[in-house]
Amino acid sequence: QKEVEQDPGPLSVPEGAIVSLNCTYSNSAFQYFMWYRQYSRKGPELLMYTYSSGNKEDGRFTAQVDKSSKYISLFIRDSQPSDSATYLCAILRIQGAQKLVFGQGTRLTINP
Amino acid sequence: DAGITQSPRHKVTETGTPVTLRCHQTENHRYMYWYRQDPGHGLRLIHYSYGVKDTDKGEVSDGYSVSRSKTEDFLLTLESATSSQTSVYFCAISEPEGAGVLTGELFFGEGSRLTVL
Repeated sequence: QKEVEQDPGPLSVPEGAIVSLNCTYSNSAFQYFMWYRQYSRKGPELLMYTYSSGNKEDGRFTAQVDKSSKYISLFIRDSQPSDSATYLCAILRIQGAQKLVFGQGTRLTINP
Repeated sequence: DAGITQSPRHKVTETGTPVTLRCHQTENHRYMYWYRQDPGHGLRLIHYSYGVKDTDKGEVSDGYSVSRSKTEDFLLTLESATSSQTSVYFCAISEPEGAGVLTGELFFGEGSRLTVL
C-alpha cells in the first residue's frame, strides 16, 4: 500500500467549475500537508501548505485537511484555463530526517 | 525562480552505458534531492543529500549513486543504464526548518528527460 494515494485522473471540467482534488494517507506521523502544481514540462511548484486540520484559503484555492480520516483535499473555485496542470499532494514525514512523500498527481484540464 | 540548473535537459542513451545527471544550485541550500517521475507513480525519491559528502538513500535507490563534493552541485549517476530507468529526473533543493523557512518546501529544477534504448 502506498503511503499517499491520489486519483491520477485525468480530470476535465468546464471553465468556472469548482474542482475537488483529493488524497488519502496512511501514516499518522505525517504532519505537514502540501499541494504542488506542475505545468507541462516544468518542475512542481508549491501551491498551498498547511499543518493542521481544517481549511486554509488562498484566493480561489482552499486546502482542507482531516487528520482523523487521513484525508486531504484541494478545492479550486471559478476554475480558469490557466489552472490546467498536474496537481500533486505531498505530505511531510518527520521521523528522523524529513522526507516529503508525493501522491501520484492528478492531471487537470479546464476547458474554455 | 530558484537558481537550479539541471543538465543535460534531454538525453538518449543505450542500455548498459553510464549516465551522469548534474544539478547545480545558486541558493546555498543545504538539502538537495533527486526524484524520478513516472506515469502512475508520481515523484519518487532516489537519493538526497543533507550536506557536502552527506547523502542517503530514498525509496528507489537501486541502480543509482550520487555524489556531492560541493554545496552547489549534486550528481546522479546511473552506472549501467537500463530501460526501466527511462524517466524524467528532477532535482530539488530545500533548507532545514528555521526562521522564515517553510518546513518541507522544495524548489524544483526543470527536469532532465532520460531515454534508455
